[in-house]
Amino acid sequence: QQPVQSPQAVILREGEDAVINCSSSKALYSVHWYRQKHGEAPVFLMILLKGGEQKGHEKISASFNEKKQQSSLYLTASQLSYSGTYFCGTDFSGGYQKVTFGTGTKLQVIP
Amino acid sequence: KAGVTQTPRYLIKTRGQQVTLSCSPISGHRSVSWYQQTPGQGLQFLFEYFSETQRNKGNFPGRFSGRQFSNSRSEMNVSTLELGDSALYLCASSLTVSTNEKLFFGSGTQLSVL
Repeated sequence: QQPVQSPQAVILREGEDAVINCSSSKALYSVHWYRQKHGEAPVFLMILLKGGEQKGHEKISASFNEKKQQSSLYLTASQLSYSGTYFCGTDFSGGYQKVTFGTGTKLQVIP
Repeated sequence: KAGVTQTPRYLIKTRGQQVTLSCSPISGHRSVSWYQQTPGQGLQFLFEYFSETQRNKGNFPGRFSGRQFSNSRSEMNVSTLELGDSALYLCASSLTVSTNEKLFFGSGTQLSVL
């Protein structure tokens, strides 16, 4: 069952912040985040494991709340280069199966 | 280090035909996974191969099949194409089958079925 991402799309001005949420109806072992720019391959951002740790990648960070079965991706002081579609991937199997990706959040950063 | 290579980049087929897509993983990577990407559906998992064996399979009909060769290169085949098979097919490789490893994606093959 696919995780649910929200919002589906968001438009930001450069310098603004955004939050993308990923929630699941099933228990999660880990959450993965990828970004896909238009016409390009998805690129890995980070993996969050059970334990509620927060990770960072440039000015992009994420949290994972295993009790609530959700993760949030935080984009701070957005740059034009942040534009793309963000996918969360969730592991329901404890490492035995590949992640299940959500439908994506399309982020557009404008000048 | 060369990335994941997928060929061809674009394909146009008609209903009823079959198609074979190719994926060369990053050197040393032994796991290859395939995904179907369509607008609004995100990335749908097709199957995963490791050491020439299919390890996992998603919820796709039997028309979708794949295989992996001893050099880890993988092919995906779709028989009796339907209009709904039009999509971007992405291949991803990783060192092992661990879910906690990051995936390296290719640029995909854009398949259009007319």
